[in-house]
Amino acid sequence: QKEVEQDPGPLSVPEGAIVSLNCTYSNSAFQYFMWYRQYSRKGPELLMYTYSSGNKEDGRFTAQVDKSSKYISLFIRDSQPSDSATYLCAMRLWASGGSYIPTFGRGTSLIVHP
Amino acid sequence: KAGVTQTPRYLIKTRGQQVTLSCSPISGHRSVSWYQQTPGQGLQFLFEYFSETQRNKGNFPGRFSGRQFSNSRSEMNVSTLELGDSALYLCASSLDSGSTEAFFGQGTRLTVV
Repeated sequence: QKEVEQDPGPLSVPEGAIVSLNCTYSNSAFQYFMWYRQYSRKGPELLMYTYSSGNKEDGRFTAQVDKSSKYISLFIRDSQPSDSATYLCAMRLWASGGSYIPTFGRGTSLIVHP
Repeated sequence: KAGVTQTPRYLIKTRGQQVTLSCSPISGHRSVSWYQQTPGQGLQFLFEYFSETQRNKGNFPGRFSGRQFSNSRSEMNVSTLELGDSALYLCASSLDSGSTEAFFGQGTRLTVV
């Protein structure tokens, strides 16, 4: 079992739909929970990050963390075709080298059709 | 402000050869991390360099190595290439080691034949 599980999809939704992307994790020592968006042939770009349980909102995006259930979500409101991409969850662990090591989910492919 | 630059963008190598990939971070960023991305394993952490020192290393064999220069530019080397090393290699730069905000380059697509 991987430390971070994420359904690869693809998830296909109509324009304007609310999208829910999810990850579960097994290591309770993870700190900082992040969501990245990766377009085809591009590197990932950081969308949001949060440290604690609860919700964090940024425009059409809401990141939710539930540490007790080891479950994180990203919600996208009013989805647009330009949101079509692969979404990667990530979380970090403090390591002996004096910095963090990130662990990524495999990514969920999202397709928003007009 | 220029982003993270990785060179070359594409590379084809033969099994047994070695390869060196280059990453130029955003100006002022001192931390560079390297990742391997494959369809099967996803995005996996290779190592992080900060101030010319390796801070942490992921679970990869010793054939994977790297270094960082005084201007923060970094190189990654893979020796004795195997078919399974075919992947997209990404580097990410951040202001400091441990910074949450990391900026990725477009990657180097390595194909081993």
